[in-house]
Amino acid sequence: QKEVEQNSGPLSVPEGAIASLNCTYSDRGSQSFFWYRQYSGKSPELIMFIYSNGDKEDGRFTAQLNKASQYVSLLIRDSQPSDSATYLCAVNSGGYQKVTFGIGTKLQVIP
Amino acid sequence: SAVISQKPSRDICQRGTSLTIQCQVDSQVTMMFWYRQQPGQSLTLIATANQGSEATYESGFVIDKFPISRPNLTFSTLTVSNMSPEDSSIYLCSGVGQGITEQYFGPGTRLTVT
Repeated sequence: QKEVEQNSGPLSVPEGAIASLNCTYSDRGSQSFFWYRQYSGKSPELIMFIYSNGDKEDGRFTAQLNKASQYVSLLIRDSQPSDSATYLCAVNSGGYQKVTFGIGTKLQVIP
Repeated sequence: SAVISQKPSRDICQRGTSLTIQCQVDSQVTMMFWYRQQPGQSLTLIATANQGSEATYESGFVIDKFPISRPNLTFSTLTVSNMSPEDSSIYLCSGVGQGITEQYFGPGTRLTVT
C-alpha cells in the first residue's frame, strides 16, 4: 500500500524562525510531490509542488526533494503567525492523476 | 488554477436519510475527485468522478452508499446514502486541469448526521 508519512506535530517555532516540515513516502515510483496548507475549518490550499530532485523556491517557501531517500520537505523562512496551519504532504505515483495524502503536520508560529 | 464551489456548505441530517452534494468548477478539468476528511484525519479519496460513466471507487467505498454523477466536464454530485453518524465528516470535491497534476479543492461540505 502506498503510504505518505508525516509527523502530526504540533511543531512550534518562534516568529521569524525557519520552520522545517518533513515527509517520507513508500512508493519509489512516485513522480509528483505537493504541499498543501490547511487552516482550521478550511479546505486544503496548494502552496508548492516539485517534480525533480533538489530545491524549488517560491517566496518564503522552499520545497526539497530527494528521490533516493524518498523524502520531501518544506521550509518556511521568516515564519509568521499567519503560517500557523496544518501542512499536508501529497504524492502522485504517476500515470494517473490521483494523489495520496499524509496526515499533515500542525505548525504553530509563536509571536 | 481552478475555482471550485460546493453546495451545501454544511448540513445536519437525520440517520437513514440521503444528502446530495454539488460541485461546480469554473473551467474544464480533466479529472474530478471526491474526498472525505474526518475530524483530525487526513484526506481519504472516495472516488474519481468520470464524465458520462460510472465513477471509480477506492477500496472501502461502494456505489450504493456514495453514488456519484458527472454529466459534464465542470459539474459533479456526490450522494451520501442511508446516512449514519459515522458518515459525519467534511466532504471535499477537487479537480485537476489538463496537462497538469496539481489538484485544487472546493471549500468542502461539513456533514453532521444525528
